[in-house]
Amino acid sequence: QQPVQSPQAVILREGEDAVINCSSSKALYSVHWYRQKHGEAPVFLMILLKGGEQKGHDKISASFNEKKQQSSLYLTASQLSYSGTYFCGTESPDSNYQLIWGAGTKLIIKP
Amino acid sequence: DSGVTQTPKHLITATGQRVTLRCSPRSGDLSVYWYQQSLDQGLQFLIQYYNGEERAKGNILERFSAQQFPDLHSELNLSSLELGDSALYFCASSPDSGRTYEQYFGPGTRLTVT
Repeated sequence: QQPVQSPQAVILREGEDAVINCSSSKALYSVHWYRQKHGEAPVFLMILLKGGEQKGHDKISASFNEKKQQSSLYLTASQLSYSGTYFCGTESPDSNYQLIWGAGTKLIIKP
Repeated sequence: DSGVTQTPKHLITATGQRVTLRCSPRSGDLSVYWYQQSLDQGLQFLIQYYNGEERAKGNILERFSAQQFPDLHSELNLSSLELGDSALYFCASSPDSGRTYEQYFGPGTRLTVT
């Protein structure tokens, strides 16, 4: 079952913060985050594994709450380059090593 | 540049036709994944190959098939094409099929069925 991402879209001014959520109804092994700019291929951001570890990537960090089966992506002091669609992919015991992808969250950063 | 190559970049063909999309994974990567992305939609997983063998199957139509060759490049064959098959087709590769590996996406093939 597809994880649910929220919000569907968000518009920010440069320098503002954003949080993107990814929730699943299934127990998860891991959550993967990717960013896709318009007309381009998705680019890997980070993987979060069971254990609630919080990872970071420049000013982008994420958390994984395995009990709640959800992950959140935090974008701090957003830059114009952060614009794009963010996808989470979840992996669960019955997903047979497949990533099940969310529908994406479109992030627009305005100067 | 992810190191994954896909050809052709664009493909325009008529309904009922058959096309082949090609993907070369990053050097050393054993897994290849195929995805379909319709306009402004999410990624739909089609199929995964690992070291020449089919590993996982997603929402792949019976009209579609794929294979991975001994040199690890992969081809996705789409037949009896319909207008609804128009989409961006991505291939991605990863070092293994294990759970912790990130996927590296190629630039995609944009298929237009007229």
